[in-house]
Amino acid sequence: AQSVTQLDSHVSVSEGTPVLLRCNYSSSYSPSLFWYVQHPNKGLQLLLKYTSAATLVKGINGFEAEFKKSETSFHLTKPSAHMSDAAEYFCVVHSSASKIIFGSGTRLSIRP
Amino acid sequence: DTGVSQDPRHKITKRGQNVTFRCDPISEHNRLYWYRQTLGQGPEFLTYFQNEAQLEKSRLLSDRFSAERPKGSFSTLEIQRTEQGDSAMYLCASSYGGSGQGLLRELFFGEGSRLTVL
Repeated sequence: AQSVTQLDSHVSVSEGTPVLLRCNYSSSYSPSLFWYVQHPNKGLQLLLKYTSAATLVKGINGFEAEFKKSETSFHLTKPSAHMSDAAEYFCVVHSSASKIIFGSGTRLSIRP
Repeated sequence: DTGVSQDPRHKITKRGQNVTFRCDPISEHNRLYWYRQTLGQGPEFLTYFQNEAQLEKSRLLSDRFSAERPKGSFSTLEIQRTEQGDSAMYLCASSYGGSGQGLLRELFFGEGSRLTVL
């Protein structure tokens, strides 16, 4: 069985400060892991993906995530938040063509 | 470059009516997915097609729900005898996957069809 847990439903940071969105996963197989972002009234967009190559993955808009097998984590980070980063973020476990499980999401708010 | 398109974007219906949503995936994509998303939740898997074959259905997909992808291109999702609990955003996604490549492919999402059942 596989599952994904996003540890924070809402994160609020000040513009220019670091962002950390936490994700833990459970999978019977070596999974692929993704982060997607959803802006209001927009479709989900891929931020980055881990597919068993480098454990530190760089994505779009300055985001990156580190796969830590020992901690079963795939946390998303960004050194400096921008107002345009305000959105909903989803961590996704993908272990086969049909077994794609989304976390419940983390809403990121940016304070001016 | 045309992405995944969904129609209609919004649908308001009365309880008991039937509704149908359409999804046009990216043309070279052989895999198509339907998800349902309610407020404050992540997308929940409903069903998955590879070409025209429906390979998996979630237990969330009751017998009032049916999905088709008749020619392996566009897909429809029909909900019969709608209930208020069906109110949600219905998301379609597509990807390209072949043998041994299924784990690597990202999903490309449409903007969704929002259903409100009164």
